[in-house]
Amino acid sequence: DADVTQTPRNRITKTGKRIMLECSQTKGHDRMYWYRQDPGLGLQLIYYSFDVKDINKGEISDGYSVSRQAQAKFSLSLESAIPNQTALYFCATSQTGSSDTQYFGPGTRLTVL
Amino acid sequence: GQSLEQPSEVTAVEGAIVQINCTYQTSGFYGLSWYQQHDGGAPTFLSYNALDGLEETGRFSSFLSRSDSYGYLLLQELQMKDSASYFCAVGNQGGKLIFGQGTELSVKP
Repeated sequence: DADVTQTPRNRITKTGKRIMLECSQTKGHDRMYWYRQDPGLGLQLIYYSFDVKDINKGEISDGYSVSRQAQAKFSLSLESAIPNQTALYFCATSQTGSSDTQYFGPGTRLTVL
Repeated sequence: GQSLEQPSEVTAVEGAIVQINCTYQTSGFYGLSWYQQHDGGAPTFLSYNALDGLEETGRFSSFLSRSDSYGYLLLQELQMKDSASYFCAVGNQGGKLIFGQGTELSVKP
């Protein structure tokens, strides 16, 4: 079984809709991250969480929100989706003190029409 | 600000050696990491350098020079399966990674 899972894997939605992307991990890591990747580009950090009570904005948090429901679960919401949020979204985890070694989920491909 | 530069594309032949360079500007530098990503799949961790010098892991090696704000990933005995995108990333005091835009490596027969 995969250590980091994301649901859904693919989603097509319309402008203005609320969307939630979910991430679960069985690695027992405290730290979780949400990234966005646009075609041909690197990974941009949206939000990160170092434990259940700790949530931090990343480089591109506008238009997104997150919830850390448990150590193993970190969800990303788009309150009102817009077309330029069409991208590949990755969740990642790491151990405390080893943030350079991150373990990524398989990604969610989101299309906003 | 923080920024990383790496070449957008590199092409090499099977069996050859290729070097992917990365230069960075960042505050509170902790280390340089390298990740591999096949065709939109999950990025996977390859290597990490916190100190100057060369780290070797099988066919892959990574080098860091903190004084030059420079590092590279060296891939030896290239195989077709090495065709992928390679990202350098810098870690800082905040426990975050900042990724470069990636280098697409094409390995030709």
